[in-house]
Amino acid sequence: DIVMTQSPDSLAVSLGERATINCKSSQSILYSSSNNRNSLAWYQQKPGQPPRLLISWASSRESGVPDRFSGSGSGTDFTLIISSLQAEDVAVYYCQQYYTTPYSFGQGTKLEIK
Amino acid sequence: QVQLVQSGAEVKQPGSSVKVSCKASGGTFSSHALVWVRQAPGQGLEWVGGIIPIYARAKYPEKFQGRVKITTDESMSTAYLALSSLTSEDTAVYYCARERQGAFDLWGQGTMVTVSS
Repeated sequence: DIVMTQSPDSLAVSLGERATINCKSSQSILYSSSNNRNSLAWYQQKPGQPPRLLISWASSRESGVPDRFSGSGSGTDFTLIISSLQAEDVAVYYCQQYYTTPYSFGQGTKLEIK
Repeated sequence: QVQLVQSGAEVKQPGSSVKVSCKASGGTFSSHALVWVRQAPGQGLEWVGGIIPIYARAKYPEKFQGRVKITTDESMSTAYLALSSLTSEDTAVYYCARERQGAFDLWGQGTMVTVSS
């Protein structure tokens, strides 16, 4: 099974500053037969709500997601960046691999305002 | 616009079974797979399994094999998660979600399942 590990577990960032969340997979999730795309998604979850898909294929932003959210990385190392933190970005963020079943999530990163 | 609407909260005794439903309001699951993800109180997300409705073919993680069953109705507008031999460790919010090429792009509101004597 593929293990996803996020860092840090929690993060406090000032409004308007950059937030960086890392995600590492225990094996490569680069899907070479699909235009070399990485099978990685990022989700945002606010209290009492289901997760919301932000980014798929490691860097493809979903419709309606603000462009301050960006994803990067390849192979086993990935990053979610929020370029200028807004108050509404306070949430827990999860990465997820869908390279193979069982699909697996990182443990989550709690993002707060400093 | 399709929405996923789940059944209400359940309280179950240890050793019993539970069945949770997920209805595609305003449409069907079409050719998408439908997955179930659970979240224990204060914990992270765990994939419980998924089904491709048009093939009626389901997949489950090994830890749930023999205890979980995911099905859909003939209209492919409602999916079900059945979990048996419940223990306190199954206490969680269970979400259904639509799978789009692996990522989960549309989620139900969640169903709280509490296992307690």
